[in-house]
Amino acid sequence: DARVTQTPRHKVTEMGQEVTMRCQPILGHNTVFWYRQTMMQGLELLAYFRNRAPLDDSGMPKDRFSAEMPDATLATLKIQPSEPRDSAVYFCASAGYSNQPQHFGDGTRLSIL
Amino acid sequence: AQSVAQPEDQVNVAEGNPLTVKCTYSVSGNPYLFWYVQYPNRGLQFLLKYITGDNLVKGSYGFEAEFNKSQTSFHLKKPSALVSDSALYFCAVRDGGARAAGNKLTFGGGTRVLVKP
Repeated sequence: DARVTQTPRHKVTEMGQEVTMRCQPILGHNTVFWYRQTMMQGLELLAYFRNRAPLDDSGMPKDRFSAEMPDATLATLKIQPSEPRDSAVYFCASAGYSNQPQHFGDGTRLSIL
Repeated sequence: AQSVAQPEDQVNVAEGNPLTVKCTYSVSGNPYLFWYVQYPNRGLQFLLKYITGDNLVKGSYGFEAEFNKSQTSFHLKKPSALVSDSALYFCAVRDGGARAAGNKLTFGGGTRVLVKP
């Protein structure tokens, strides 16, 4: 089965360090989403892209977070500088046509010390 | 604006008994509705969707959901629950008429299901 691949699966780093999370969407999917999941806030949409162009990043703290799609097979989410409150599980999802479901990766579990 | 409510944080059920997870929604246009399940340390997995047609939708692992337009609900059901169904369940909605929003979904807060042997 085709699947969304996220790397790394786990990341532990110190406050102030740059963190880069990567996502390989399912081949042929033209929409990519970044979510953050925490116990307190639940599942939050950070940003999403269609055909590599950002459609909405209103859920993302602009001062420290950035999301890009350098090509159709790679999406990245960067945090610089990282803070303890960024500790969460970050999910990438991809989708094809508008009524198709989103397919999720298994996430990156991020811990900022 | 669109929204989803899952009124129960947790549902407890004995193995073999029927399972129902509730979901109500609000959208301005025609709703596209989805159910996802999340197991520990995994991403959300798609279970089923309603776009149009028959109000009773069948999905993976024996789950089904009934679309009720008058009550704006889309409850998830399984006739006989298994211990392995213990997981976190999410309902999601998008406005079928909002093309500019692409596939953007609004998720509910999730319902934890615990099936006891």
